[in-house]
Amino acid sequence: AQKITQTQPGMFVQEKEAVTLDCTYDTSDPSYGLFWYKQPSSGEMIFLIYQGSYDQQNATEGRYSLNFQKARKSANLVISASQLGDSAMYFCAMRVSGGYQKVTFGTGTKLQVIP
Amino acid sequence: DTAVSQTPKYLVTQMGNDKSIKCEQNLGHDTMYWYKQDSKKFLKIMFSYNNKELIINETVPNRFSPKSPDKAHLNLHINSLELGDSAVYFCASSLPRGGGIREQYFGPGTRLTVT
Repeated sequence: AQKITQTQPGMFVQEKEAVTLDCTYDTSDPSYGLFWYKQPSSGEMIFLIYQGSYDQQNATEGRYSLNFQKARKSANLVISASQLGDSAMYFCAMRVSGGYQKVTFGTGTKLQVIP
Repeated sequence: DTAVSQTPKYLVTQMGNDKSIKCEQNLGHDTMYWYKQDSKKFLKIMFSYNNKELIINETVPNRFSPKSPDKAHLNLHINSLELGDSAVYFCASSLPRGGGIREQYFGPGTRLTVT
């Protein structure tokens, strides 16, 4: 069975600093994908970034990068130059190949950016 | 243009009633999902349809019945509503690719409150 773990229920970061949100996963499937989503207080789920298990390079999207360490089964999200608008819940999620595209979510990390 | 839309955005109803939530996507995606987000923000998949065919059916009470009239629409009907059904219900869609999906797009959510 696949499992996603986010151990940080809440985090604070100073504006303009970088922050790392932790995510570890567990699966025996060699083919899988990892996602990060942002949920602001307004409630919508915003797709941020994706990393495939066979992708050679770490994914980056603007100020977001995914620090993928396959041997350690971790897929941490790094947000550079934090902005006040980054304050939100962040969810890590995983999809395995044999699961009919089923995506399992972690419990989320609430990030607050301090001015 | 709204990619994934849901109606209604808010739904307040009494225990025992029957209600429906509608979802539509204009992204041309083949796969659509229903997720439930509880009061602790935990997001769990309920159902998934691929091209009108049910492919994921998690352990959800029989009172919940999804229907997909075509690949752009996915509805959720709930019979005999209970207090525990109060949650935010998200519709999502994705485009299956070789090796698995690489992103999912979510609707704005429907906040269901059962009194």
